[in-house]
Formats: sequence, C-alpha cells, structure tokens
Amino acid sequence: NAGVTQTPKFRVLKTGQSMTLLCAQDMNHEYMYWYRQDPGMGLRLIHYSVGEGTTAKGEVPDGYNVSRLKKQNFLLGLESAAPSQTSVYFCASSYLGASNNEQFFGPGTRLTVL
Amino acid sequence: AQSVSQHNHHVILSEAASLELGCNYSYGGTVNLFWYVQYPGQHLQLLLKYFSGDPLVKGIKGFEAEFIKSKFSFNLRKPSVQWSDTAEYFCAVGGYSTLTFGKGTMLLVSP
Repeated sequence: NAGVTQTPKFRVLKTGQSMTLLCAQDMNHEYMYWYRQDPGMGLRLIHYSVGEGTTAKGEVPDGYNVSRLKKQNFLLGLESAAPSQTSVYFCASSYLGASNNEQFFGPGTRLTVL
Repeated sequence: AQSVSQHNHHVILSEAASLELGCNYSYGGTVNLFWYVQYPGQHLQLLLKYFSGDPLVKGIKGFEAEFIKSKFSFNLRKPSVQWSDTAEYFCAVGGYSTLTFGKGTMLLVSP
C-alpha cells in the first residue's frame, strides 16, 4: 500500500516549457487535490477533484490545468511555465471531502522554473 | 470564504518547554478544524482534528488542541516538547469540500 505517490520528485524547467505532474493514490479515495507550498504562504489549493472525470478550481488555478481520467490518478499540467510557478507541489487525497475527512499527502515535487 | 490566521511564523523552544501555537479562523458555517504537521523531509500528516463534541481534542505524540468558539480559536498545545517535535505546523479549517490552511508555524526545538 503505497498511499499517495508523486512523480517526478524534482524538475527544472525553462520559462515557457510545459510539463505534467502525476499523482497516484491506491486508497480508492474519491477526492484528490493539488496544492502549492511557498515559504511564508502555507499551502494554497490549485485545483481539486471530487471524483473521476471531475475537476474544480481552487484558490490559485491560473496557469495550471488538471485532469482526472482515472479515479486513482490526478494530473497537474503547466502549459507554459513561469518563474512564479517555482514551488513545491503537493498532491493529496481523501475518502470524501477534506472538510471532514483526513487528507493523505504525497511526498511533493520540487519545481524550479528558470 | 473561510480564512485561517496563525500568530507565529517561527517559534524556538528548548526541550521540555511548553508549547502553544495560536490559530484563529473565520468561517460562517459549521466549522471543522485540523492541525497538520510536516516533519523535515517528510510530507504532511494529520496531527489532530475537531468536528464536534468535547472542545479539547487529543492527537498523536502528546499534542492537544482546544476549540474556543467565542474566540474563533483552535490553539495547539503540548506540555513538554522534544527535539523530535521540530517541524512546521499548519492549522486548517474545513469548508464544503476543501481545506483552507494557515501560513504555518515553524517550530525549532533545541536540545
């Protein structure tokens, strides 16, 4: 039982490049989330999904897209990376809504955009 | 929209000192409150949570938190900290399907 996994762990991009971050969970959770963590800013929600085939915007969605084609996977895409997207990205999942269910977090992806 | 305010960004304590980390929230509806912890090099994990009932909740590793509705607060406490408690602590309030996190408090415990 791996829990929540994220790939890659580290990535360096040049401005304008694109990439996809993959999150996978093996706990049969309905809800999945993408956050970014920046020093002094805490965790901010980018996008989330309440089930397979659904996505919704969070607090800071601009510049990101997501897809949830399979229940166990939640992809975060950057179409044209900018230095402001340098951050640590965390994926999380919960059985139902995070407002009253424990969220399980992945190990994070450290992204640097030059 | 809900918001969470954590009073201290950095706290430095010696081992065996008592800890209290402040957390205030604003939310118009029924509130669910959480503390998550991130140990160095590890991912976030749940420390404790409050949904209803006894306003004093106990979590893992000797931590506890008290929900005071009149003060919109959910402060985290531990009577005697250890070096292994060095970590970043996040208070969060639950909304409809999501959580809103505070900016975090970095706790450094010196041996």
